[in-house]
Amino acid sequence: DAGVIQSPRHEVTEMGQEVTLRCKPISGHNSLFWYRQTMMRGLELLIYFNNNVPIDDSGMPEDRFSAKMPNASFSTLKIQPSEPRDSAVYFCASLPARERGNTIYFGEGSWLTVV
Amino acid sequence: GEDVEQSLFLSVREGDSSVINCTYTDSSSTYLYWYKQEPGAGLQLLTYIFSNMDMKQDQRLTVLLNKKDKHLSLRIADTQTGDSAIYFCAEIGASGGSYIPTFGRGTSLIVHP
Repeated sequence: DAGVIQSPRHEVTEMGQEVTLRCKPISGHNSLFWYRQTMMRGLELLIYFNNNVPIDDSGMPEDRFSAKMPNASFSTLKIQPSEPRDSAVYFCASLPARERGNTIYFGEGSWLTVV
Repeated sequence: GEDVEQSLFLSVREGDSSVINCTYTDSSSTYLYWYKQEPGAGLQLLTYIFSNMDMKQDQRLTVLLNKKDKHLSLRIADTQTGDSAIYFCAEIGASGGSYIPTFGRGTSLIVHP
């Protein structure tokens, strides 16, 4: 399997612009997570999907952030409008159903810089 | 909510052993993990241990679990400069409807000659 695939790997954008990050989870995994990593706050869980349904979005920082999972093989995290404090690494991760496995796999991350 | 704590930094000399410690609060933890993050990369699974085990060894890596004290450690024997990275402790519980892993802040391991 190709693993969790994220795009873009790097993005530099101007404040106020819309940013869309994409994720393709591992085939057959039914849970998908979006994390944000910064030096100050470490690894934060933003939102968690199970069978394409958002289960817990309490980590989404503001209304400027939104996430969707239209099908089992694709998810997006959107920031609109973006701000400099959104600069971080955003990771997508996937996990199989409990009875099928126990390991969460991460993508390589999307490195976002908002100037 | 559940919590996972680890120290932020560890500095060791090349060739020495490194021990990275972690404590957690979820008494229903089923699996406990160690992930490694190299600069500019994602988190990669190093090893994991099932909660009914005390120890797991894999080449230079030894994982020790004290379930009573909710303490997990990762020992790296003969530490090399290539081991310099951030190491994350994580756990996943068995109870309840959700199956969400909880991660620590990560321990930055610095290996110097």
